[in-house]
Amino acid sequence: EAQVTQNPRYLITVTGKKLTVTCSQNMNHEYMSWYRQDPGLGLRQIYYSMNVEVTDKGDVPEGYKVSRKEKRNFPLILESPSPNQTSLYFCASSPGGGDDYEQYFGPGTRLTVT
Amino acid sequence: SQQGEEDPQALSIQEGENATMNCSYKTSINNLQWYRQNSGRGLVHLILIRSNEREKHSGRLRVTLDTSKKSSSLLITASRAADTASYFCATGYSTLTFGKGTMLLVSP
Repeated sequence: EAQVTQNPRYLITVTGKKLTVTCSQNMNHEYMSWYRQDPGLGLRQIYYSMNVEVTDKGDVPEGYKVSRKEKRNFPLILESPSPNQTSLYFCASSPGGGDDYEQYFGPGTRLTVT
Repeated sequence: SQQGEEDPQALSIQEGENATMNCSYKTSINNLQWYRQNSGRGLVHLILIRSNEREKHSGRLRVTLDTSKKSSSLLITASRAADTASYFCATGYSTLTFGKGTMLLVSP
């Protein structure tokens, strides 16, 4: 089944404790992206990747890191999480970037930083 | 930055009624897409309309696009309780950006 998977689905952590949210897709997509969703703010893009070893900042990259060593994986790293990073996070993939392509979303990761 | 803005922010209707949501965007586009999100879940692609198209249908969905006004509308006909969700428009040349969404509530 074609899908985007994220792990963990739920995470409660403390300020400053490094964490990684994994994202994997099995559709051989070139493009992958991370979003955060907050009430009243909609979806805001954190980072995106057009291909392996190519990553770019989105609208809200501060406090986050990503890597794209393999085509299928695009982990999101919070080196020192803070409470303002409490949010619902989505990974997405598509055959290419931009509005030519439908994006496929993962189920989301709900992160709480205390 | 958010390319699209949906209007209204929230819409409440009865089953069987039609629901119309609007999207305005800021810059030129190749295509515009609409997505649905059930509460707290991942977004699901509904429909893509190309910049040279004025109207597109998919089942009970009808999307229009007016590039001169930089706006699009999504019409859901004969709404069902299962249509309760948030709806987002999205566009962007190099990377897709989303609006804040319209929350639709369809009551039985």
